[in-house]
Amino acid sequence: SSELTQDPAVSVALGQTVRITCQGDSLRSYYASWYQQKPGQAPVLVIYGKNNRPSGIPDRFSGSSSGNTASLTITGAQAEDEADYYCNSRDSSGNLWVFGGGTKLTVL
Amino acid sequence: EVQLVESGGGLVQPGGSLRLSCAASGFTFSSYEMNWVRQAPGKGLEWVSYISSSGSTIYYADSVKGRFTISRDNAKNSLYLQMNSLRAEDTAVYYCATVNSGSYYDYYYYYMDVWGKGTTVTVSS
Repeated sequence: SSELTQDPAVSVALGQTVRITCQGDSLRSYYASWYQQKPGQAPVLVIYGKNNRPSGIPDRFSGSSSGNTASLTITGAQAEDEADYYCNSRDSSGNLWVFGGGTKLTVL
Repeated sequence: EVQLVESGGGLVQPGGSLRLSCAASGFTFSSYEMNWVRQAPGKGLEWVSYISSSGSTIYYADSVKGRFTISRDNAKNSLYLQMNSLRAEDTAVYYCATVNSGSYYDYYYYYMDVWGKGTTVTVSS
């Protein structure tokens, strides 16, 4: 299967914890990577591998995986975390990349 | 500074062609696999095409297979996307991105850690 499914929208109160999930068969073989995209900007990698953060990404961002579900958790969400978040992985054949449909995060 | 800069976007009529370029600097381009990713107005990210570091392995999304051709010139630190038979649904911002990979026990992972700012392609009559 070459689909990754994300909830279209999630909201979180300022300072609270939010989990964004991504489901797909390929996630049984591949760890997802997660990208943050703010309006008018290019995507930015926030999580990759088992739970790795690129340099410059705050440690409130973390990743986890279980079965066919990958999760991005923001612990203590900040106003600047309001953005679209996309998961991505290779598909089960290994010949394609696939993105989830994206989750719009609103910080209240 | 590690940087990718896309160029070549513009307005083109349906059925027309366009060649996008992605200029890399600040890193050893020839060592990196590369992806093209696009985003239609108001829509999500869509992977378009992949090329290995040597150019010997290439993949395409079904939506562009047979119409788009990815290539690279490692001597010029450049990545290309030749787009033919363009359709209205190809209208998007096109990004190039570096591809990295790793493994952890039985799991593999791939990620795109450096992205350009994108170039806009509009297909319209």
